[in-house]
Amino acid sequence: DAGVIQSPRHEVTEMGQEVTLRCKPISGHNSLFWYRQTMMRGLELLIYFNNNVPIDDSGMPEDRFSAKMPNASFSTLKIQPSEPRDSAVYFCASTPPKERDTQYFGPGTRLTVL
Amino acid sequence: EDKVVQSPLSLVVHEGDTVTLNCSYEVTNFRSLLWYKQEKKAPTFLFMLTSSGIEKKSGRLSSILDKKELFSILNITATQTGDSAVYLCAVEEYSGGGADGLTFGKGTHLIIQP
Repeated sequence: DAGVIQSPRHEVTEMGQEVTLRCKPISGHNSLFWYRQTMMRGLELLIYFNNNVPIDDSGMPEDRFSAKMPNASFSTLKIQPSEPRDSAVYFCASTPPKERDTQYFGPGTRLTVL
Repeated sequence: EDKVVQSPLSLVVHEGDTVTLNCSYEVTNFRSLLWYKQEKKAPTFLFMLTSSGIEKKSGRLSSILDKKELFSILNITATQTGDSAVYLCAVEEYSGGGADGLTFGKGTHLIIQP
């Protein structure tokens, strides 16, 4: 199995630019989660989807952040415009419908905003 | 105010020592508590705990939950250098259906010295 796939693995951009992070969950999984990890705040849940529908986006820091899940096999997290404080590792995780106790994490995208 | 608090924040011990990591929580509709190990990549799942007083074991690692006092501990016996990692505690709450997101603590950074 390929596992959760995230791209890019690393991105360095200048502030003000638009950033799009991509995630492909494990086939058959019906829930998808976006997390952000920083040294200061640890691991934070940003948003999660169940059956492609956003369930809770209360963790999204501000309007510059948006996430979509147009189908069961793809999700994006977009930051526009990006700021240096957005620099972090962004993880995507997915969960199968009958195994709710385990989240399968992707390798993460390390974002640096200069 | 943090809902999930881990202690200590960091810990340095010698190989062979036993360590105990703590996680206390304060949530409204507790469902489960999870422990993860994170090295220089995405967190890997260790345990999920839902019932008080039932110890879960996996090799040298074990964990137990106290739902009355609202805390959990993760024990590692006969530590090895490969145990060096950040150990994350996360709490899941009921939200009425579907897979729920998690609230993470900031982690305990464990360093095992040879």
